[in-house]
Amino acid sequence: LAKTTQPVSMDSYEGQEVNITCSHNNIATNDYITWYQQFPSQGPRFIIQGYKTKVTNEVASLFIPADRKSSTLSLPRVSLSDTAVYYCLVVPPGGGADGLTFGKGTHLIIQP
Amino acid sequence: DGGITQSPKYLFRKEGQNVTLSCEQNLNHDAMYWYRQDPGQGLRLIYYSQIVNDFQKGDIAEGYSVSREKKESFPLTVTSAQKNPTAFYLCATRQSSYNSPLHFGNGTRLTVT
Repeated sequence: LAKTTQPVSMDSYEGQEVNITCSHNNIATNDYITWYQQFPSQGPRFIIQGYKTKVTNEVASLFIPADRKSSTLSLPRVSLSDTAVYYCLVVPPGGGADGLTFGKGTHLIIQP
Repeated sequence: DGGITQSPKYLFRKEGQNVTLSCEQNLNHDAMYWYRQDPGQGLRLIYYSQIVNDFQKGDIAEGYSVSREKKESFPLTVTSAQKNPTAFYLCATRQSSYNSPLHFGNGTRLTVT
């Protein structure tokens, strides 16, 4: 299973773009990359996922280089409400629970 | 997530008592999962189930038990054998298909004194 490494915490300011990078050096060929957001006393919420190149939705973008050994979650123009913990997971295809262990994530703090 | 109901939100028990946490889903998802989260920590997998009447241990199953008699329900019992039961418990579901994401309930905070 691919192990992931993220920064423990990050700070930014309202209106800025925030990029959170996750390293996953031993990602397997068919693994996909998924990101979750968690607010205090709530369950994590799925943000975005991808396999390669770039994926964009209404809340974030995900950049994955050709070697897929890392990925970057990009949050455009953050607000105070984006203060949360962000988790990167690398998940193999199929069912079960492989890859579904959440590490400590990145605690993002947005200041006014 | 509106499709997953965990109840109650807060639960208090005395040490030595078993307690059952409820998780119900109306998403028609095949797989269900129980996680435990301690302050400042990530989520650790307790048990999961991919189909009715079948479940597997996760990373920290000792002191816990589960059942999956219906597709919609996956209750977790925290037994008196669990040494440190006070924690935030999260239930999740997902479809058993490629790249299907997890959907989480809003959790139950259990305090044992």
